[in-house]
Amino acid sequence: AQSVTQLGSHVSVSEGALVLLRCNYSSSVPPYLFWYVQYPNQGLQLLLKYTTGATLVKGINGFEAEFKKSETSFHLTKPSAHMSDAAEYFCAVSDRNRLTFGEGTQLTVNP
Amino acid sequence: DGGITQSPKYLFRKEGQNVTLSCEQNLNHDAMYWYRQDPGQGLRLIYYSQIVNDFQKGDIAEGYSVSREKKESFPLTVTSAQKNPTAFYLCASTGDPQLGYNEQFFGPGTRLTVL
Repeated sequence: AQSVTQLGSHVSVSEGALVLLRCNYSSSVPPYLFWYVQYPNQGLQLLLKYTTGATLVKGINGFEAEFKKSETSFHLTKPSAHMSDAAEYFCAVSDRNRLTFGEGTQLTVNP
Repeated sequence: DGGITQSPKYLFRKEGQNVTLSCEQNLNHDAMYWYRQDPGQGLRLIYYSQIVNDFQKGDIAEGYSVSREKKESFPLTVTSAQKNPTAFYLCASTGDPQLGYNEQFFGPGTRLTVL
């Protein structure tokens, strides 16, 4: 069975600082990995995904993530946080028929 | 514009009543999903359907029912058997569920409150 662990349910950064949101996964097959963002009372929006090939994946809004098979990780980063990045972020792994989500990380950006 | 619509945005229900949440997509996607979201618990899968007239239970199907009579529609009924139905419900779809690299597209959600 697939599983996802997001380390840190709440992360707080200053505007302009590095954003690092951690995700570790467990999968019995080569994984497909996703990061989604959710703004209050809205649905989820895809930030980026890893399928095969290049392990550094670039997404929307300046985010990127690196797939590290040896560490079973897919951490999300952004060099410089903006106030508009404040939201909840979900990491997910696919088992071909369904997605399994982590519990989410709430990102707060302080002025 | 292609997308997924959910209605209503907010729904209030009295205890003991059944209520149906609507989910419609015009993306021509084969697969549709229902998730429940509670604070600090991420998204939990209720039911999913990979093709018309077929659906499977997810991780927390008890107290819920679904139908898939049309490709574009996947309504969710929250029955009186669901002990704690107050939550945010999200519907999603994807083109070919066998292609695991296909992302799911999400609707805006319905917030259900039991009074």
